[in-house]
Amino acid sequence: KNEVEQSPQNLTAQEGEFITINCSYSVGISALHWLQQHPGGGIVSLFMLSSGKKKHGRLIATINIQEKHSSLHITASHPRDSAVYICAVHNTDKLIFGTGTRLQVFP
Amino acid sequence: GAGVSQSPRYKVAKRGQDVALRCDPISGHVSLFWYQQALGQGPEFLTYFQNEAQLDKSGLPSDRFFAERPEGSVSTLKIQRTQQEDSAVYLCASSFSGQGNYEQYFGPGTRLTVT
Repeated sequence: KNEVEQSPQNLTAQEGEFITINCSYSVGISALHWLQQHPGGGIVSLFMLSSGKKKHGRLIATINIQEKHSSLHITASHPRDSAVYICAVHNTDKLIFGTGTRLQVFP
Repeated sequence: GAGVSQSPRYKVAKRGQDVALRCDPISGHVSLFWYQQALGQGPEFLTYFQNEAQLDKSGLPSDRFFAERPEGSVSTLKIQRTQQEDSAVYLCASSFSGQGNYEQYFGPGTRLTVT
């Protein structure tokens, strides 16, 4: 069993839909990161959180430390949101990554 | 430049060749990380430096992999006698500090293909 699991693995949506990506982890963490990876490999950090909820534009990330679960929400999705979204947890000095959720948003 | 840079962006090596991958972190960033990302997978930790000290190399898959950061800035990941299973994207990331939780900034990666 992976230490960080994401669901779903693949997700397709129509433009404007509300999207949720889930992340569960089984190790102790000091923080959780949501990352976005576009084709070609570049990774951009979206959020780093250790409790509660953060919002940036149309993106919202929540974490429940007791349940070891986090969600990334995208409101009013747009084709430019198409990418791989990766959950990663900060464990001691390194990040442990999920396998990613491939999101495709169609116009 | 403002971000983390890596070179080369693409590398094709014949099985058995040695390769060297370079990472230039953001100026002033203390911590530097190397990750390996196989096709369709999330990145996996390889090794971590704080300044010039390699504090964790537990993720290096074999003794063919070696990383250094001699002056606490640029880092090189070297793979000796490359094998096909080494084909992956190698990502470098840097952060301001290794203490506490700091955001990691990723480079574009080097895509290594071993034929």
